[in-house]
Amino acid sequence: TQLLEQSPQFLSIQEGENLTVYCNSSSVFSSLQWYRQEPGEGPVLLVTVVTGGEVKKLKRLTFQFGDARKDSSLHITAAQPGDTGLYLCAGSPRVINAGNMLTFGGGTRLMVKP
Amino acid sequence: NAGVTQTPKFRILKIGQSMTLQCTQDMNHNYMYWYRQDPGMGLKLIYYSVGAGITDKGEVPNGYNVSRSTTEDFPLRLELAAPSQTSVYFCASSYPTGGGLGSPLHFGNGTRLTVT
Repeated sequence: TQLLEQSPQFLSIQEGENLTVYCNSSSVFSSLQWYRQEPGEGPVLLVTVVTGGEVKKLKRLTFQFGDARKDSSLHITAAQPGDTGLYLCAGSPRVINAGNMLTFGGGTRLMVKP
Repeated sequence: NAGVTQTPKFRILKIGQSMTLQCTQDMNHNYMYWYRQDPGMGLKLIYYSVGAGITDKGEVPNGYNVSRSTTEDFPLRLELAAPSQTSVYFCASSYPTGGGLGSPLHFGNGTRLTVT
């Protein structure tokens, strides 16, 4: 079983602050996805990173995939209350025909206070 | 577009009762999944299906059963509910991709189940 560990588990910050969430594993993934989940809803995909060292930006969110494809980070600049939610990383195994199963991290619960 | 629809949204069961969680998608996705999410935890895969008539176990299949008679529907059955099955259940669907690239999952809004 490939494990993904996210840190921190909880984060409470003031509006305007910057933050970074980490997603780490001892296993290599072919790709990694980040989802955001709001209360009472299912997770929604934010981004997929595929190439080692890849950096993707989505407005104030910056996603990075580690060179060795074992870890990823999500950096939010000038956080806003609308960023509040549960952030989940999910790795895709390198084994072909594994049913496209993703391994999810435990999540980082972010609260941004106005 | 409805996407992935789950019913019911909430359910309380007594120990030993059975129920079926319904899931339907209108995106013509081949792959469908059932996950459970416990408080403070990530998502754990219960069962998945790569197409009509094909199902397979995920990480935590014990106590559950599934069927996939059509592309659209993927119901999850709990035969003898236990308190350990108290959780939020999410159904998801995706297109298959080659090379393990991990196509994005489209989730329903979940069913919150309490077993007392």
